[in-house]
Amino acid sequence: DSGVTQTPKHLITATGQRVTLRCSPRSGDLSVYWYQQSLDQGLQFLIQYYNGEERAKGNILERFSAQQFPDLHSELNLSSLELGDSALYFCASSPGDRDNQPQHFGDGTRLSIL
Amino acid sequence: DQQVKQNSPSLSVQEGRISILNCDYTNSMFDYFLWYKKYPAEGPTFLISISSIKDKNEDGRFTVFLNKSAKHLSLHIVPSQPGDSAVYFCAATVNTNAGKSTFGDGTTLTVKP
Repeated sequence: DSGVTQTPKHLITATGQRVTLRCSPRSGDLSVYWYQQSLDQGLQFLIQYYNGEERAKGNILERFSAQQFPDLHSELNLSSLELGDSALYFCASSPGDRDNQPQHFGDGTRLSIL
Repeated sequence: DQQVKQNSPSLSVQEGRISILNCDYTNSMFDYFLWYKKYPAEGPTFLISISSIKDKNEDGRFTVFLNKSAKHLSLHIVPSQPGDSAVYFCAATVNTNAGKSTFGDGTTLTVKP
């Protein structure tokens, strides 16, 4: 158990809809990272928050947004969903804001767009 | 442009033998490298890391080697066990106070009993 909790585990929705994925980081970790894993591909970095502030951004689409709340949990909002958004979405956390710290991953949310 | 490449999608070895997983990178700014292991239906878990100031780091059965001139790193597992069967991801970072880990596409290791 990594200590990182992601909900829901599975999400099925239709094109054009909007969903929210939730992540609770490991106790004491201040950084939260979001990744997208499409079929048989690596993890694509989306965005990092550190202690409530956006710290780094990857190839995140404008239809996607995220935030980290004062209790350090984070939400990833995906809107105007397209078929290509179907993927596994992972959240990870680490104690600080440096990338030389191993990240602890949740078990992911599987998003299926019909 | 994929900055971290794992050119072997899969690897199969016999239990007790050595497993060698390879990773190549193109960005010379990367100065910290990590390996993660992923079982089905679970998130990746950290395995071992290496800083660019070293060329080898060992942790039990796992050793990571870094060849900076070749921009290549490898993960050695000796001896391999059936429980090591998983997807292994190589990741690279720039050690700033912010940033991202760039992941390879992973190598699926199968250890046969």
